[in-house]
Amino acid sequence: GENVEQHPSTLSVQEGDSAVIKCTYSDSASNYFPWYKQELGKRPQLIIDIRSNVGEKKDQRIAVTLNKTAKHFSLHITETQPEDSAVYFCAASWRIKAAGNKLTFGGGTRVLVKP
Amino acid sequence: SQTIHQWPATLVQPVGSPLSLECTVEGTSNPNLYWYRQAAGRGLQLLFYSVGIGQISSEVPQNLSASRPQDRQFILSSKKLLLSDSGFYLCACPGALDGYTFGSGTRLTVV
Repeated sequence: GENVEQHPSTLSVQEGDSAVIKCTYSDSASNYFPWYKQELGKRPQLIIDIRSNVGEKKDQRIAVTLNKTAKHFSLHITETQPEDSAVYFCAASWRIKAAGNKLTFGGGTRVLVKP
Repeated sequence: SQTIHQWPATLVQPVGSPLSLECTVEGTSNPNLYWYRQAAGRGLQLLFYSVGIGQISSEVPQNLSASRPQDRQFILSSKKLLLSDSGFYLCACPGALDGYTFGSGTRLTVV
């Protein structure tokens, strides 16, 4: 089955700096890579995703990159703000159809943005 | 869009007691449904998934079981809870795009 590794486990940045979280996956058949943000005590929320036919995707201060050859993908948060503090999870799945996804999650990265 | 209801929100149960957590889904039919557990400070571990009524697949051996008695209902159960069953339990289904929509979760503390 799929195995997803995520680094670092914790990340502390100064407000305004950038944060980068990296993930690797094992199954070359995986073709969908979402990122989730989980605030303390709450459910994970999808913040951005990327498919294997795309190398990069950006949404305001958040961007994701994917390297299929190396089987790794990254989340980049620019101009970090205190409200970006949360736990971030990467995930990978082999998309057959929407109802057939089975996401495998990374271990999570606790991001702390210091004002 | 889909809405997932989970209850209870929090639960404190003694070791050896039974457990029943319920998840119901609105806004979709015949969804795949998933139970995840998140131990304190840890990642999301897939426990069970179901592709339809009465169909359950278990991802890891454990003290828990799952059932899908109706199309939009997914239940997580245990006959006798262990301390190690403590955690944050999340029900999920495929979202409008390809990601998951999660329920609000049940925080279970076994004492």
